Amino acid sequence: KAGVTQTPRYLIKTRGQQVTLSCSPISGHRSVSWYQQTPGQGLQFLFEYFSETQRNKGNFPGRFSGRQFSNSRSEMNVSTLELGDSALYLCASSLNVGGQTGELFFGEGSRLTVL
Amino acid sequence: GENVEQHPSTLSVQEGDSAVIKCTYSDSASNYFPWYKQELGKGPQLIIDIRSNVGEKKDQRIAVTLNKTAKHFSLHITETQPEDSAVYFCAASKMDDMRFGAGTRLTVKP
Repeated sequence: KAGVTQTPRYLIKTRGQQVTLSCSPISGHRSVSWYQQTPGQGLQFLFEYFSETQRNKGNFPGRFSGRQFSNSRSEMNVSTLELGDSALYLCASSLNVGGQTGELFFGEGSRLTVL
Repeated sequence: GENVEQHPSTLSVQEGDSAVIKCTYSDSASNYFPWYKQELGKGPQLIIDIRSNVGEKKDQRIAVTLNKTAKHFSLHITETQPEDSAVYFCAASKMDDMRFGAGTRLTVKP
């Protein structure tokens, strides 16, 4: 059974640009969550999608957005990139929403560097 | 929303010693507390979890304890091995809202 796949794994952008990251969940998983990981800040929750609907959102500015498609694949977009957006962006999938069933299955992340 | 604090941020132990990581949470409605291990270059992976109706859970060398009254929970690793070196994250969850601590970098020295 394939795990969570995130693309691209690494990317470099400049300030002001935008970026789109993709996440393919484990087959059969309907929930996809996104987290930003930076040194010292741990895993900061961005948002969660379930059945194409955003179910929950963290405290990030509107420059961060996402969506989920009918096949459960998800994308997140960051517009007008800032230096502080440099981070590892992790996607996690689960059978149901959030902590109801427990385990989140994480991908290896997309490492974004903003110059 | 939920706030999870995790201590210490770094922990270094000798192989064979025990390691303890502690977390506190703010929302008394949280009812699910997982621990994740992140190895270098990989995404976090669940290693153990506990629900609010249980006070302790063990799985081989790993155990988690929960004190609902004090709103804190801890991860205990006994007989540590070099392969236990990683970043460990605690989390607290209610309904569809799971929040993570800032992580603990554990180094096990051979």
